[in-house]
Amino acid sequence: GENVEQHPSTLSVQEGDSAVIKCTYSDSASNYFPWYKQELGKRPQLIIDIRSNVGEKKDQRIAVTLNKTAKHFSLHITETQPEDSAVYFCAASIRRGSYIPTFGRGTSLIVHP
Amino acid sequence: EADIYQTPRYLVIGTGKKITLECSQTMGHDKMYWYQQDPGMELHLIHYSYGVNSTEKGDLSSESTVSRIRTEHFPLTLESARPSHTSQYLCASTPSAREGYTFGSGTRLTVV
Repeated sequence: GENVEQHPSTLSVQEGDSAVIKCTYSDSASNYFPWYKQELGKRPQLIIDIRSNVGEKKDQRIAVTLNKTAKHFSLHITETQPEDSAVYFCAASIRRGSYIPTFGRGTSLIVHP
Repeated sequence: EADIYQTPRYLVIGTGKKITLECSQTMGHDKMYWYQQDPGMELHLIHYSYGVNSTEKGDLSSESTVSRIRTEHFPLTLESARPSHTSQYLCASTPSAREGYTFGSGTRLTVV
């Protein structure tokens, strides 16, 4: 069925390095791609999103890029800090009758001081 | 403050009990969702609703039911709890399919 693949499952970086998480999706009609950050013991929170009519979006140290032809999108975090350590989930709106966000399996990002 | 609220926060119950997990949001969102999540793991869609009197099954729906009698309220019921239901249950809402979710703080359920 339609799904979202997310890689890597675990990412370990040194403070100050960049981190990149990649997702691919299968439904060519998907038009909305949010990213969520979930800190340990807390609820997932939306950190950035992108719509299909845009190729890139930035918000301070985080950015998301979208390649609709290749059906993949990526989260980029620059100048990582220990407080960036969390599980990050991508999602893509997948058709199930109407559009339902389908989540990737998550990436555990660890930023070492 | 406009938000989405889940109760109880933690629940320990015996096998075979019927339980209802509560979810209410004060944002006026039409779309609401229930997810099951083991700690730090994948989110599995259980049920969703597009509005009052609308409910749809997700991928893990066979052992639970939902209702949507009011816009703000979307309770999840397990008719007969089993140890395999031990998990965290997250409720979420959004105004449209092209807007991000707001998640509740979750209910951590343990079935003994």
